[in-house]
Amino acid sequence: QVQLQESGPGLVKSSGSLSLTCAVSDYAIVSGCFWGWVRQPPGRGLEWIGTIYQDGSRYYNPSLKSRVTTSVDRSKNQFSLRLSFVTPADTAVYYCAKTMTAAGGHLGTFDYWGQGALVTVSS
Amino acid sequence: QSALTQPASVSGSLGQSITISCTGTSSDVGGYNYVSWYQQHPGKAPKLLVYDVNKWPSGVSNRFSGSKSGNTASLTISGLQADDEADYFCSSYAGSDTFIFGGGTQLTVL
Repeated sequence: QVQLQESGPGLVKSSGSLSLTCAVSDYAIVSGCFWGWVRQPPGRGLEWIGTIYQDGSRYYNPSLKSRVTTSVDRSKNQFSLRLSFVTPADTAVYYCAKTMTAAGGHLGTFDYWGQGALVTVSS
Repeated sequence: QSALTQPASVSGSLGQSITISCTGTSSDVGGYNYVSWYQQHPGKAPKLLVYDVNKWPSGVSNRFSGSKSGNTASLTISGLQADDEADYFCSSYAGSDTFIFGGGTQLTVL
């Protein structure tokens, strides 16, 4: 059973950067699927942030693309998210997730999710 | 990119069937057969119910079924159970290596 666990600071100051890491267990990160990030502001819907492949290929939400960076660390079997120039509007639960396959149309089809990490941006 | 349009809420009685719609455009829902549906209980991570419009991941009940007509996808839940009370989100591939979610629908089981 694939397990994902987000970790990182729960409080970030405005104009700073948000950094999260997702540790993957019981599944090799190089096993042929994408790895993604989704966020959910309190009481609101889901927003796709971006997806990364094991070879470093990156795919981002156009509305966040200028502020987002993702990376994969194959040696640690984990992947990471960095969101720059944050504002209180970036306050959300951030989820990391695994896609079903490596097909392009599935880069946002997530079959396993982490429990989520609440990140609050203070003004 | 605008979020896919879902009704804010739907309700149904135990044992009944309900359908949740998800409307997009020809650039997302209508253009690809990569529509998925998720169930989310309060405080929990989303759970994949349906992918590729009408396929089930392993372990998901066939009470949840998906379909698509034109730019609108639908999720039908048959034989409503108390535990089905949750939020439901659709998502779709939107071309150019991007993805989009719907705004979500709150299901109340009466």
